[in-house]
Amino acid sequence: RKEVEQDPGPFNVPEGATVAFNCTYSNSASQSFFWYRQDCRKEPKLLMSVYSSGNEDGRFTAQLNRASQYISLLIRDSKLSDSATYLCVVTILTGGGNKLTFGTGTQLKVEL
Amino acid sequence: DTEVTQTPKHLVMGMTNKKSLKCEQHMGHRAMYWYKQKAKKPPELMFVYSYEKLSINESVPSRFSPECPNSSLLNLHLHALQPEDSALYLCASSQEWAGRGTFFGQGTRLTVV
Repeated sequence: RKEVEQDPGPFNVPEGATVAFNCTYSNSASQSFFWYRQDCRKEPKLLMSVYSSGNEDGRFTAQLNRASQYISLLIRDSKLSDSATYLCVVTILTGGGNKLTFGTGTQLKVEL
Repeated sequence: DTEVTQTPKHLVMGMTNKKSLKCEQHMGHRAMYWYKQKAKKPPELMFVYSYEKLSINESVPSRFSPECPNSSLLNLHLHALQPEDSALYLCASSQEWAGRGTFFGQGTRLTVV
């Protein structure tokens, strides 16, 4: 079983749609959780941190369920510019330092 | 714009060459990382430096040799690479505790011929 699992997609949605991505992680010692966005041939960019209380940043809402080891990202009113791969990332603090583990990514294509 | 700067952006090298990738950050982060990313795959951790000391080596072959000259700089020395080592090499940095996120450079796209 992979440490962080995501539906690879692609998700093809019309502009203005609401889309939800899910992610599960297997290591209960995971401490920090994030969504990153990666455009084709670019570096991953931090989209938002994810907390149990849920957090919102404009059209983006992220949620963490520690009991179920489940992370979600909701994008409302999708824009063409939202087209990218969305990576779920968990961090474990080990004796050697932080280890980020990436999910395989979910590809989003927003269409006219 | 990323605050982690990597050079060069592109590199083509032969299997007998020696080259180095460079990374610089001025965010005061004390943890720095090298990741390798193949096409259509997520980044894979190679090395972690914490307070300028190598703290994690994910069983990376010795033809990859990291170096951290100071708290702002991270190098990756390459020698006798194989064509399958062709990938995007990403440098990243974070605070010692990565709870506020890890920030990536634009990467070096390496091709081994």
